[in-house]
Amino acid sequence: NAGVTQTPKFQVLKTGQSMTLQCAQDMNHNSMYWYRQDPGMGLRLIYYSASEGTTDKGEVPNGYNVSRLNKREFSLRLESAAPSQTSVYFCASRGQGKVEAFFGQGTRLTVV
Amino acid sequence: QQQVKQSPQSLIVQKGGISIINCAYENTAFDYFPWYQQFPGKGPALLIAIRPDVSEKKEGRFTISFNKSAKQFSLHIMDSQPGDSATYFCAASNLRGGATNKLIFGTGTLLAVQP
Repeated sequence: NAGVTQTPKFQVLKTGQSMTLQCAQDMNHNSMYWYRQDPGMGLRLIYYSASEGTTDKGEVPNGYNVSRLNKREFSLRLESAAPSQTSVYFCASRGQGKVEAFFGQGTRLTVV
Repeated sequence: QQQVKQSPQSLIVQKGGISIINCAYENTAFDYFPWYQQFPGKGPALLIAIRPDVSEKKEGRFTISFNKSAKQFSLHIMDSQPGDSATYFCAASNLRGGATNKLIFGTGTLLAVQP
């Protein structure tokens, strides 16, 4: 049972490059989330999707876009990467009516 | 704007000691307060959670104490072990928001339990 799978695990980008972080869950969860984790800042919500076909901004959405491709997949796109987006990115999912969120292993992104 | 404030930022405890991590929240609409544990290189995982209708919840060596009037809650780890060394996050959520409810996290506490 894979749970929440994120790809890639590591990525180095140059300033101005674009990339998409992929997330897939196999638990049939309705809600999916993207967080970024920075030292001293905790986990900050970037975007979330309450169900297939819907997305909403979180606390720090600027510089990011998301796509809820289907119930399983929720991708995060950086159109023009900036050094301030250097972070560890976590995808999470949660089932309908459930309280526990399940996290992926994270993507460590460095923008130089 | 930090809706959930967590302290301390780091904590060193001797094996067998008690680890205490504190959190405070502002939004009285929050009605679910989980703690997540994160080991290096891994994603956070749910450790224990509490609803505001109780003042304490215990699971093994882990206890949440909740003070609704003060809008504070804390995690106590009894008989701390080196295997407990990890980053701990408190969080808050409004379950009445249904599918759109979000988990708001604190800034995290890095716990090191020395043998």
